[in-house]
Formats: sequence, C-alpha cells, structure tokens
Amino acid sequence: EIVLTQSPGTLSLSPGERATLSCRASQSVGGSYLAWYQQKPGQAPRLLIYGASSRATGIPDRFSGSGSGTDFTLTISRLEPEDFAVYYCQQYGSSPYTFGQGTKLEIK
Amino acid sequence: EVQLLESGGGLVQPGGSLRLSCAASGFTFSNYAMHWVRQAPGKGLQWVSVISRSGDSTFYADSVKGRFTISRDNSKNTLYLQMNSLRAEDTALYFCANPGYTSGSMYYWGQGTLVTVSS
Repeated sequence: EIVLTQSPGTLSLSPGERATLSCRASQSVGGSYLAWYQQKPGQAPRLLIYGASSRATGIPDRFSGSGSGTDFTLTISRLEPEDFAVYYCQQYGSSPYTFGQGTKLEIK
Repeated sequence: EVQLLESGGGLVQPGGSLRLSCAASGFTFSNYAMHWVRQAPGKGLQWVSVISRSGDSTFYADSVKGRFTISRDNSKNTLYLQMNSLRAEDTALYFCANPGYTSGSMYYWGQGTLVTVSS
C-alpha cells in the first residue's frame, strides 16, 4: 500500500499570499496518477488537479500541481478567501487508492 | 447534469449488515468505473472500493476486504456497497464518486449517506 504523507498539517496564511502544500509518497506513484481535492465543511470533496498537474474543469488557474515519483506539490499562487479549506492528495496508480491525511489551510 | 444520490445509510449494531445504493443520472453509467469513499466524523477521506465499468473487476481497501462487496447494475444505473460484519470504526459518511473525463481520479461526487455502527 502506498502511504501518502501531507505537510504541513496546518498552514496559516493571509489572503493574497502564496500557499505551497506537499504530498510525499512511500513509493513511486505510477503514471503520476496523483490528484488533489479541496473540501469545505459539510461539502463533498472537489477535484482540483489530476495526473499530478492537470487542472480539472472550472478550476481557477491560481491552482497548480507539480511533481512526479514520490514528491508532489499543490501551489495556490494568490489566496482568495474561498480557498481556505482542507486539501487532500490521493494516488490512483495502484490499488488501494490511498489518500493523504490532509492539510488544513486556515486564515492567519 | 451529472447526479449521484446515495441512500441506505442508518444506525446498525456491531456485527450487522447494511447495503448502500448510489443512483446515477446525467451520464452513461456503464461507461465509467465507480468508487466508494468514506469519511469518519471529523476525520480525513478514506478510499473504500472501486468497480470496473462492466463490474468484472473490483478492488478494496485492506480494512474492508472480505467484509464489503461492491457491485453495480448497469441496467438500473445504480452502484451498491454491501457491508457485512460492521464495526464501530466503519462509522462514516459514505460517498460514491465517478471519474468523469479524468480517467481514475474522482470528478463527480454525491453528497454521501451516513452509516453509524453502535449498540
């Protein structure tokens, strides 16, 4: 099983700042099959990035994904008030399709 | 418009069984693999299971293997999760999800159905 470790656990930033979230895998993620999701309280997750770097339909271009192998990053270039939420990475290169434990992005 | 509507959740005693359903509409159901994902109260997301388009291939998280069975009825556009030998740690909101055009990740999600395992 591929274990995904996200860091930091909590990130405190202000609107307008840049956010960098990390996801490290215990072994290489095949095909860069790595996704990022955003979840707000009481809502289902929303897909942001798939294939490590492809933005899902309707996702603003301030969200970008990068990385390969075992190290992946989600970057939010300039934080908007609606971006404060919990973010999860997930690998779907091999079963079981594991999630990271999440990074909470909170307003400073 | 794609819609995924889960149902079948509720309160069940430890050791009991429950069957969840996910009614799909707005897309050609038989063209897509389907997933179940769960989230315990106040916790993170946990992938549970996936089934292929035809239903002939299934995969499970280690924590549910041998107890849960995923299935689908393409004639009814419905996904199922049969849950047996339920434990307190299975208490969670259960989501069904569909990859849409992304081929593997989860683009479309339902709103979830709550399963509570307690005596």
